[in-house]
Amino acid sequence: DTEVTQTPKHLVMGMTNKKSLKCEQHMGHRAMYWYKQKAKKPPELMFVYSYEKLSINESVPSRFSPECPNSSLLNLHLHALQPEDSALYLCASSQEHEGTELFFGSGTQLSVL
Amino acid sequence: DAKTTQPNSMESNEEEPVHLPCNHSTISGTDYIHWYRQLPSQGPEYVIHGLTSNVNNRMASLAIAEDRKSSTLILHRATLRDAAVYYCIQHNYGQNFVFGPGTRLSVLP
Repeated sequence: DTEVTQTPKHLVMGMTNKKSLKCEQHMGHRAMYWYKQKAKKPPELMFVYSYEKLSINESVPSRFSPECPNSSLLNLHLHALQPEDSALYLCASSQEHEGTELFFGSGTQLSVL
Repeated sequence: DAKTTQPNSMESNEEEPVHLPCNHSTISGTDYIHWYRQLPSQGPEYVIHGLTSNVNNRMASLAIAEDRKSSTLILHRATLRDAAVYYCIQHNYGQNFVFGPGTRLSVLP
């Protein structure tokens, strides 16, 4: 199984809502990532988890809260988002944080109204 | 910031070879060159990577210049399914992958 599965595929939320994005991989990878991608732009790194510990937070606003419950799961909790947070949110994993290959999910397309 | 530069867009005809260039003039001796591509409505996927020698796999070939300041991703026979954004990334072990704007490849039937 070489898949990274993200749910939901699409999400529409209001600025006062709380929602969560989920990501799962069963490749035994020990590093997991959240990227944000605006339309026609490259993916930008948000967070890195290595061995279930947050190792990198790229100055992401606190309205985004990551969580890694176990080595196979990665969540991104969303609260009080702004319309400019609308984007494709991509999850990725790699063997180790220093791994040479990233495996990406298909992303969650988020719209904040 | 991304350390590589690529053309914004390229066009190819179906069943013809495609050469996608990338410049990485600040590359160090331990930096690898990685290529990822992103098909429409998908996350990026790994294509190939190399250090000094040319590399081949089932998807593509990677030709790295002798001075390592540039490289070329070669798709030997483009298909419509190869239409995507191709990202060239200069990456060192232990660093994060930083994506630049990439090259948008269109494949014409």
